[in-house]
Amino acid sequence: GESVGLHLPTLSVQEGDNSIINCAYSNSASDYFIWYKQESGKGPQFIIDIRSNMDKRQGQRVTVLLNKTVKHLSLQIAATQPGDSAVYFCAETVRMLTGGGNKLTFGTGTQLKVEL
Amino acid sequence: GAVVSQHPSRVICKSGTSVKIECRSLDFQATTMFWYRQFPKKSLMLMATSNEGSKATYEQGVEKDKFLINHASLTLSTLTVTSAHPEDSSFYICSVTGVEQFFGPGTRLTVL
Repeated sequence: GESVGLHLPTLSVQEGDNSIINCAYSNSASDYFIWYKQESGKGPQFIIDIRSNMDKRQGQRVTVLLNKTVKHLSLQIAATQPGDSAVYFCAETVRMLTGGGNKLTFGTGTQLKVEL
Repeated sequence: GAVVSQHPSRVICKSGTSVKIECRSLDFQATTMFWYRQFPKKSLMLMATSNEGSKATYEQGVEKDKFLINHASLTLSTLTVTSAHPEDSSFYICSVTGVEQFFGPGTRLTVL
């Protein structure tokens, strides 16, 4: 079946360095991708999204890159801070045929550890 | 973004009992809400789509008679885990969807 996956389960970076978290997806019909941050014991928090008609989108300290040719998504965090330590999930939307809202398929997640 | 709450945040129950989890959209009228389950160090798995005023749509492998969903208003969806067993222990998360999808803080269920 369709799936969304991540290459690295754990990523350790030094404070102040840039972080790059990768994601591979397999559903070529997906048209919307989202990165979420989840801290321990909490629900996912929206970070940034990108539509399939774009290949790059920038937010505050974060950038998402989309390569539709190889079905690859990445999240770049600039000047990583201790507060960035969390699990990061990519997700893709499969548009629902009936009703409202888009079903999300989540990747396996990457644990980001920021070392002081 | 939408503000979503869940109640309770944590619940411990005995095997065989039923547990109700509430998901409220505090500032957004949600015709659709989603329920996810997350096991430790795992990803979120969609359980069902809760539709206001109609029956929920369950994902393959999710027992609809065990996980009862009621979406009686545009701001409230409930998930009832019936006859809970230890293997139902998990982190249950709801979300509401508009242009983006916003998640609740989750409910930690422990079944003894």
